[in-house]
Amino acid sequence: GQNIDQPTEMTATEGAIVQINCTYQTSGFNGLFWYQQHAGEAPTFLSYNVLDGLEEKGRFSSFLSRSKGYSYLLLKELQMKDSASYLCAVLDSNYQLIWGAGTKLIIKP
Amino acid sequence: GAVVSQHPSRVICKSGTSVKIECRSLDFQATTMFWYRQFPKQSLMLMATSNEGSKATYEQGVEKDKFLINHASLTLSTLTVTSAHPEDSSFYICSARRGENEQYFGPGTRLTVT
Repeated sequence: GQNIDQPTEMTATEGAIVQINCTYQTSGFNGLFWYQQHAGEAPTFLSYNVLDGLEEKGRFSSFLSRSKGYSYLLLKELQMKDSASYLCAVLDSNYQLIWGAGTKLIIKP
Repeated sequence: GAVVSQHPSRVICKSGTSVKIECRSLDFQATTMFWYRQFPKQSLMLMATSNEGSKATYEQGVEKDKFLINHASLTLSTLTVTSAHPEDSSFYICSARRGENEQYFGPGTRLTVT
């Protein structure tokens, strides 16, 4: 079966750095996405990785290792507004998105 | 960037009535759109894949006669919840695919059935 694992909840301090991990087992791989979702709102796109390595975009970076079935989202200089759920999703061989359950990130002052 | 809109954003209806939710891709054409529902504190659950000009593909366990999907044009897909019941109350989110890898979400529709 297809499976995506990420931690249920994480807590970090404002101004700090946090890394949210995601491991996956899917039928085929056509890329991995990270989305941010605030409570009561739809997900918003953060990043897309299809090749191994690190993609940096401002305070957010995303890393992919296809051989390990592993990705992480790195958030730097945390702000209170970064408190949200972060969803990892993999595009499988049929170009369908397989979703993780999401990681709720709590930022403390 | 790509913009996807949904209408309405919130709807309250009485049990037994039908509700239609629209999903539009505003600045690109989407041959494929997806409908999700999300319960509180849970991840997105794919309900169906909507392909322009053809029948939607429903996920296992989703009643196609209850959740009617129409994708009549390259920029519009509609989801109609027929004979809604309180257990259908949920957050319904659509997304539209651009190209092979890009998928953009609408803002969601909060449905409450009383």
